[in-house]
Amino acid sequence: EIVLTQSPGTLALSPGERATLSCRASQSVSSSYLAWYQQKPGQAPRLLIYGASTRATGIPDRFSGSGSGTDFTLTISKLEPEDFAVYSCQQYGTSPWTFGQGTKVEIK
Amino acid sequence: QVQLVQSGAEVKKPGASVKVSCKTSAYSFTSYGISWVRQAPGQGLEWMGWITPYNGNTDYAQKFQGRVTMTTDTSTNTGYMELRSLRFDDTAVYYCARRGTGVAAANDYWGQGTLVTVSS
Repeated sequence: EIVLTQSPGTLALSPGERATLSCRASQSVSSSYLAWYQQKPGQAPRLLIYGASTRATGIPDRFSGSGSGTDFTLTISKLEPEDFAVYSCQQYGTSPWTFGQGTKVEIK
Repeated sequence: QVQLVQSGAEVKKPGASVKVSCKTSAYSFTSYGISWVRQAPGQGLEWMGWITPYNGNTDYAQKFQGRVTMTTDTSTNTGYMELRSLRFDDTAVYYCARRGTGVAAANDYWGQGTLVTVSS
């Protein structure tokens, strides 16, 4: 199975700062079938990005995704207070689908 | 608006089975798959598998093969996930999520989650 490794584990930033999250795959992700989710405590995950770089419906343009092959990045251009959460990447090109372990973005 | 509403929390003993339901609305049920994902306390997300309501085809993670069954009822637009021979480490929140096709196959709508606690 494809193992996804996210870094860093925790990112401490201030509102207004730029956040850069990494997701590295153990083998190439088929056709860039890579998604990013945001999850807040006690809530279900929320789809942010699919196809490595396409924003899901209703997602603000401060969220952007990039990458291909084995290296993917989620960038939040200017952190808003509501963006402090856990972010997980997921590959859905090869069964079994797999998730990264998550990156927590916390307030500095 | 698209909704997936799951059944309520369950407490089960080791060795028992649990069946979680996921009632969907406001979209064409047979045009999308349903994935099941779980999250143990304080842990990351774990994909369990998915089902195509159109023809009932399933794809289960090897870890759950033989213990999990996913089904759908197209008359009520509801999906079900049954997990058998429960163990303490099956304690988790179980989510259903809609799955599209192709590059849009990522899970775009999620249920609220169902907490399953395995305790003696």
